[in-house]
Amino acid sequence: DVKVTQSSRYLVKRTGEKVFLECVQDMDHENMFWYRQDPGLGLRLIYFSYDVKMKEKGDIPEGYSVSREKKERFSLILESASTNQTSMYLCASSYRVGPYEQYFGPGTRLTVT
Amino acid sequence: QQQVKQSPQSLIVQKGGISIINCAYENTAFDYFPWYQQFPGKGPALLIAIRPDVSEKKEGRFTISFNKSAKQFSLHIMDSQPGDSATYFCAASNNNDMRFGAGTRLTVKP
Repeated sequence: DVKVTQSSRYLVKRTGEKVFLECVQDMDHENMFWYRQDPGLGLRLIYFSYDVKMKEKGDIPEGYSVSREKKERFSLILESASTNQTSMYLCASSYRVGPYEQYFGPGTRLTVT
Repeated sequence: QQQVKQSPQSLIVQKGGISIINCAYENTAFDYFPWYQQFPGKGPALLIAIRPDVSEKKEGRFTISFNKSAKQFSLHIMDSQPGDSATYFCAASNNNDMRFGAGTRLTVKP
């Protein structure tokens, strides 16, 4: 079974803190994704990576950065957390060349106070 | 703007009834249309998916109907069960670009 794990299920941080969210997948997938999930807005893509050290901006990259030093690991960084970044963060992975099914981790509920 | 529009936002169905969730898309380059199911505290998981060369796909109680000319597709859940209570997301994908609908929270009452 594909497994995507995320470093924390719940996280509470203060405004201005630097926040690291980590994601690891065990299926040797080329693609990895970071989404945020907000009620009524569905899943919005923050960044994705199709290879080690490669990254592409998604729809809402402002205030975020990413790092992919190893194929299995994809990190999301909030340089200076703000209250409007309180959300559920989901990591996903998939093969680069079809099928395009994305496998999701359990999510990290981040609260910024 | 949202490239995939999903309705309704929430749905309440009696046990044994049919649940229907609808989605519409704009980009005709989309060629893969999955539905994801998400239970509270879990990440979304693939439920069923269809490609535009067929108009319907059925897996157990779950059926996708696809209308290419109208750029619409829908999920039908037959004989809905309380265990089906979850949030459902439709999506549309072209290569590695996957766009999600806003989600439908389904509640099946016993």
